[in-house]
Amino acid sequence: GAGVSQSPSNKVTEKGKDVELRCDPISGHTALYWYRQSLGQGLEFLIYFQGNSAPDKSGLPSDRFSAERTGGSVSTLTIQRTQQEDSAVYLCASSLQMNTEAFFGQGTRLTVV
Amino acid sequence: QQQVKQSPQSLIVQKGGISIINCAYENTAFDYFPWYQQFPGKGPALLIAIRPDVSEKKEGRFTISFNKSAKQFSLHIMDSQPGDSATYFCAASKNGNKLVFGAGTILRVKS
Repeated sequence: GAGVSQSPSNKVTEKGKDVELRCDPISGHTALYWYRQSLGQGLEFLIYFQGNSAPDKSGLPSDRFSAERTGGSVSTLTIQRTQQEDSAVYLCASSLQMNTEAFFGQGTRLTVV
Repeated sequence: QQQVKQSPQSLIVQKGGISIINCAYENTAFDYFPWYQQFPGKGPALLIAIRPDVSEKKEGRFTISFNKSAKQFSLHIMDSQPGDSATYFCAASKNGNKLVFGAGTILRVKS
């Protein structure tokens, strides 16, 4: 595709439910990143993938958060048993390779009620 | 631990003026310093980036100044326009690892 695509764009879920957020990176980009942006805050790193492997998962806030990437392309971020503090915009980015320009998607706005 | 400190939090500049946003970093291993621009409801977009082998990089009205010894870098927006009103983030990374972002600066350019 022309850019990084994220779905859904908005998600409202009840506390305790599981959610899946999807990221379609730019075709051919080997590196993929997940960030979280709380209201009025900076970007908090969650995890990145090089191909299908995740060398750095250090930003995942708890074991309720997990992510996978298949076929070196699409990635899914899963949040289990959502809590109100999980409410944020979840941003995905991809780059051709590490240490090159990262292109961001428009994000998924998650609201936990 | 905040590895990249950004200031100011917000900035108001008159149209035609110069906007200056500063960042300081701690990790001397960082080797890539981009600036991102974000409009409401959109993802951040790369504006300009610099590597530590140069002290300045200019692209149009946007200039990055880099001071390796002071571990500081700044973004200058010349002839600021109302369309430049957005949130700006500095970032840093090492060896192609994850980007570490500053907290952001909300810029408002008054017409």
